Amino acid sequence: DIQMTQSPASLSASLGETVTIECRASEDIYSNLAWYQQKPGNSPQLLIYDANSLADGVPSRFSGSGSGTQYSLKINSLQSEDVASYFCQQYNNYDTFGAGTKLELK
Amino acid sequence: QVQLKESGPGLVQPSQTLSLTCTVSGLSLTSNSVSWIRQPPGKGLEWMGVIWSNGGTDYNSAIKSRLSISRDTSKSQVFLKMNSLQTEDTAMYFCARRRLPGYPFDYWGQGVMVTVSS
Repeated sequence: DIQMTQSPASLSASLGETVTIECRASEDIYSNLAWYQQKPGNSPQLLIYDANSLADGVPSRFSGSGSGTQYSLKINSLQSEDVASYFCQQYNNYDTFGAGTKLELK
Repeated sequence: QVQLKESGPGLVQPSQTLSLTCTVSGLSLTSNSVSWIRQPPGKGLEWMGVIWSNGGTDYNSAIKSRLSISRDTSKSQVFLKMNSLQTEDTAMYFCARRRLPGYPFDYWGQGVMVTVSS
Protein backbone atom coordinates (compact mmCIF):
# COMPACT_ATOMS: atom_id res chain seq x y z
CA ASP A 1 0.00 0.00 0.00
CA ILE A 2 1.20 3.54 -0.75
CA GLN A 3 1.76 5.67 2.36
CA MET A 4 1.36 9.46 2.35
CA THR A 5 3.34 11.52 4.84
CA GLN A 6 1.95 15.05 5.21
CA SER A 7 3.59 17.96 7.03
CA PRO A 8 3.20 19.98 9.08
CA ALA A 9 0.34 18.60 11.18
CA SER A 10 -0.64 22.13 12.15
CA LEU A 11 0.23 25.57 10.94
CA SER A 12 -0.41 29.08 12.22
CA ALA A 13 -0.10 31.99 9.79
CA SER A 14 -1.11 35.63 9.43
CA LEU A 15 -3.51 37.13 6.92
CA GLY A 16 -1.73 37.88 3.66
CA GLU A 17 1.06 35.41 4.37
CA THR A 18 2.09 32.58 2.02
CA VAL A 19 1.88 29.05 3.42
CA THR A 20 3.14 25.73 2.08
CA ILE A 21 2.02 22.23 2.97
CA GLU A 22 3.94 19.18 1.82
CA CYS A 23 3.18 15.55 1.09
CA ARG A 24 5.59 12.71 0.46
CA ALA A 25 4.52 9.43 -1.08
CA SER A 26 6.21 6.13 -0.25
CA GLU A 27 6.67 5.47 -3.96
CA ASP A 28 6.32 7.30 -7.27
CA ILE A 29 2.67 8.29 -7.79
CA TYR A 30 3.20 9.93 -11.20
CA SER A 31 1.46 13.20 -10.24
CA ASN A 32 -1.78 11.37 -9.37
CA LEU A 33 -2.10 13.66 -6.38
CA ALA A 34 -5.01 15.78 -5.17
CA TRP A 35 -5.43 18.34 -2.41
CA TYR A 36 -8.68 18.86 -0.50
CA GLN A 37 -9.88 21.57 1.87
CA GLN A 38 -12.19 20.60 4.72
CA LYS A 39 -13.90 23.12 6.97
CA PRO A 40 -15.38 21.98 10.31
CA GLY A 41 -18.65 20.12 9.86
CA ASN A 42 -18.26 19.90 6.08
CA SER A 43 -17.11 17.29 3.62
CA PRO A 44 -13.76 17.70 1.83
CA GLN A 45 -13.73 19.94 -1.24
CA LEU A 46 -11.37 19.31 -4.16
CA LEU A 47 -8.79 22.08 -4.63
CA ILE A 48 -6.05 20.63 -6.84
CA TYR A 49 -5.83 17.49 -8.98
CA ASP A 50 -3.08 15.92 -11.05
CA ALA A 51 -0.65 17.67 -8.69
CA ASN A 52 -1.00 21.12 -10.23
CA SER A 53 -4.43 21.56 -11.88
CA LEU A 54 -6.88 23.90 -10.18
CA ALA A 55 -10.38 22.48 -9.66
CA ASP A 56 -13.35 24.48 -10.92
CA GLY A 57 -14.16 27.55 -8.84
CA VAL A 58 -11.00 27.40 -6.72
CA PRO A 59 -9.26 30.77 -6.21
CA SER A 60 -5.97 31.23 -8.04
CA ARG A 61 -4.13 31.89 -4.76
CA PHE A 62 -4.08 28.10 -4.37
CA SER A 63 -1.45 26.22 -6.36
CA GLY A 64 0.08 22.76 -6.40
CA SER A 65 3.42 21.46 -7.53
CA GLY A 66 5.63 18.43 -7.39
CA SER A 67 6.37 15.14 -9.07
CA GLY A 68 7.53 11.65 -8.27
CA THR A 69 7.18 11.27 -4.51
CA GLN A 70 7.26 14.92 -3.37
CA TYR A 71 4.32 17.34 -3.64
CA SER A 72 3.29 20.65 -2.14
CA LEU A 73 0.28 22.94 -1.83
CA LYS A 74 0.88 26.68 -1.65
CA ILE A 75 -1.61 29.29 -0.54
CA ASN A 76 -0.66 32.83 -1.47
CA SER A 77 -2.00 35.85 0.38
CA LEU A 78 -3.82 33.87 3.09
CA GLN A 79 -7.46 34.86 3.61
CA SER A 80 -9.63 34.25 6.68
CA GLU A 81 -11.82 31.84 4.70
CA ASP A 82 -8.76 29.61 4.14
CA VAL A 83 -8.80 28.51 7.78
CA ALA A 84 -9.46 24.80 7.42
CA SER A 85 -7.83 21.40 7.35
CA TYR A 86 -6.04 20.31 4.20
CA PHE A 87 -5.48 16.75 3.02
CA CYS A 88 -3.42 15.29 0.21
CA GLN A 89 -4.56 12.12 -1.59
CA GLN A 90 -2.80 9.76 -3.96
CA TYR A 91 -4.98 8.03 -6.53
CA ASN A 92 -2.27 6.27 -8.50
CA ASN A 93 -2.91 2.95 -6.80
CA TYR A 94 -6.31 2.90 -5.13
CA ASP A 95 -6.53 5.80 -2.67
CA THR A 96 -4.55 6.96 0.34
CA PHE A 97 -4.86 10.23 2.22
CA GLY A 98 -2.31 12.18 4.19
CA ALA A 99 -3.00 12.74 7.88
CA GLY A 100 -3.97 16.35 7.29
CA THR A 101 -2.76 19.85 8.15
CA LYS A 102 -4.83 22.13 10.34
CA LEU A 103 -4.36 25.75 9.28
CA GLU A 104 -5.16 28.48 11.78
CA LEU A 105 -4.78 32.23 11.87
CA LYS A 106 -2.02 33.72 13.98
CA GLN B 1 -26.43 18.75 -10.63
CA VAL B 2 -24.48 15.93 -9.06
CA GLN B 3 -25.49 15.13 -5.49
CA LEU B 4 -24.72 12.30 -3.09
CA LYS B 5 -26.43 11.74 0.24
CA GLU B 6 -25.59 9.18 2.90
CA SER B 7 -28.14 7.69 5.25
CA GLY B 8 -28.11 5.12 8.00
CA PRO B 9 -28.31 4.56 11.74
CA GLY B 10 -26.43 6.95 13.96
CA LEU B 11 -25.76 4.34 16.65
CA VAL B 12 -24.63 0.76 16.25
CA GLN B 13 -23.83 -1.70 19.02
CA PRO B 14 -20.41 -3.37 19.18
CA SER B 15 -20.12 -6.58 17.17
CA GLN B 16 -23.16 -5.65 15.09
CA THR B 17 -23.34 -4.90 11.36
CA LEU B 18 -23.40 -1.39 9.90
CA SER B 19 -25.59 -0.73 6.87
CA LEU B 20 -25.36 2.59 5.04
CA THR B 21 -26.94 3.87 1.84
CA CYS B 22 -25.59 6.48 -0.57
CA THR B 23 -28.32 7.91 -2.80
CA VAL B 24 -27.04 9.74 -5.85
CA SER B 25 -28.66 12.14 -8.30
CA GLY B 26 -27.42 13.87 -11.41
CA LEU B 27 -25.20 10.94 -12.35
CA SER B 28 -25.47 7.37 -13.53
CA LEU B 29 -23.91 4.57 -11.50
CA THR B 30 -23.18 2.71 -14.73
CA SER B 31 -20.76 5.44 -15.84
CA ASN B 32 -19.36 6.63 -12.51
CA SER B 33 -17.70 4.92 -9.58
CA VAL B 34 -18.62 5.59 -5.96
CA SER B 35 -16.29 5.13 -3.02
CA TRP B 36 -16.86 5.04 0.72
CA ILE B 37 -14.45 7.05 2.87
CA ARG B 38 -14.55 7.46 6.64
CA GLN B 39 -13.13 9.93 9.13
CA PRO B 40 -12.91 9.26 12.89
CA PRO B 41 -13.59 12.36 14.99
CA GLY B 42 -10.69 14.79 14.78
CA LYS B 43 -8.67 12.47 12.56
CA GLY B 44 -7.81 11.89 8.93
CA LEU B 45 -9.55 10.24 6.01
CA GLU B 46 -9.52 6.52 5.26
CA TRP B 47 -10.59 5.14 1.91
CA MET B 48 -12.73 2.05 2.52
CA GLY B 49 -13.68 0.74 -0.89
CA VAL B 50 -15.18 1.39 -4.29
CA ILE B 51 -17.86 0.08 -6.60
CA TRP B 52 -16.82 0.73 -10.17
CA SER B 53 -19.10 1.67 -13.04
CA ASN B 54 -19.09 -1.94 -14.23
CA GLY B 55 -20.23 -3.17 -10.82
CA GLY B 56 -16.86 -4.55 -9.76
CA THR B 57 -15.57 -3.75 -6.29
CA ASP B 58 -12.26 -3.17 -4.53
CA TYR B 59 -11.64 -2.81 -0.82
CA ASN B 60 -9.04 -1.44 1.57
CA SER B 61 -6.98 -4.46 2.57
CA ALA B 62 -7.15 -3.44 6.24
CA ILE B 63 -10.93 -3.94 6.42
CA LYS B 64 -11.60 -6.12 3.40
CA SER B 65 -12.74 -9.12 5.43
CA ARG B 66 -15.51 -7.09 7.10
CA LEU B 67 -16.73 -4.95 4.21
CA SER B 68 -19.15 -5.32 1.32
CA ILE B 69 -20.22 -2.67 -1.18
CA SER B 70 -23.10 -3.16 -3.60
CA ARG B 71 -25.55 -1.08 -5.60
CA ASP B 72 -29.04 -0.85 -7.07
CA THR B 73 -28.71 1.10 -10.31
CA SER B 74 -32.48 1.38 -10.73
CA LYS B 75 -32.71 3.26 -7.45
CA SER B 76 -29.40 5.14 -7.89
CA GLN B 77 -28.19 3.76 -4.58
CA VAL B 78 -24.90 2.37 -3.32
CA PHE B 79 -24.79 0.27 -0.16
CA LEU B 80 -22.11 -0.34 2.44
CA LYS B 81 -22.23 -3.23 4.88
CA MET B 82 -19.52 -3.74 7.47
CA ASN B 83 -19.70 -6.39 10.15
CA SER B 84 -18.11 -6.93 13.54
CA LEU B 85 -18.13 -3.26 14.41
CA GLN B 86 -15.90 -1.99 17.22
CA THR B 87 -15.59 1.38 18.95
CA GLU B 88 -12.73 2.32 16.62
CA ASP B 89 -15.21 2.22 13.74
CA THR B 90 -16.89 5.32 15.16
CA ALA B 91 -16.55 7.87 12.39
CA MET B 92 -18.17 10.13 9.84
CA TYR B 93 -18.86 8.04 6.76
CA PHE B 94 -18.79 9.72 3.34
CA CYS B 95 -19.59 8.51 -0.14
CA ALA B 96 -17.83 10.24 -3.02
CA ARG B 97 -17.93 10.18 -6.81
CA ARG B 98 -15.00 9.53 -9.09
CA ARG B 99 -15.84 10.35 -12.70
CA LEU B 100 -13.28 7.97 -14.19
CA PRO B 101 -10.39 5.81 -12.95
CA GLY B 102 -7.35 7.99 -12.44
CA TYR B 103 -9.42 10.97 -11.32
CA PRO B 104 -9.82 12.34 -7.79
CA PHE B 105 -13.08 12.57 -5.86
CA ASP B 106 -14.89 15.63 -7.21
CA TYR B 107 -18.25 15.27 -5.45
CA TRP B 108 -18.80 14.17 -1.85
CA GLY B 109 -21.87 13.58 0.23
CA GLN B 110 -22.41 15.49 3.46
CA GLY B 111 -21.53 12.42 5.50
CA VAL B 112 -23.32 10.45 8.18
CA MET B 113 -21.98 10.10 11.71
CA VAL B 114 -21.91 6.56 13.06
CA THR B 115 -21.19 5.90 16.72
CA VAL B 116 -20.37 2.38 17.89
CA SER B 117 -21.42 2.06 21.50
CA SER B 118 -23.46 -0.14 23.78
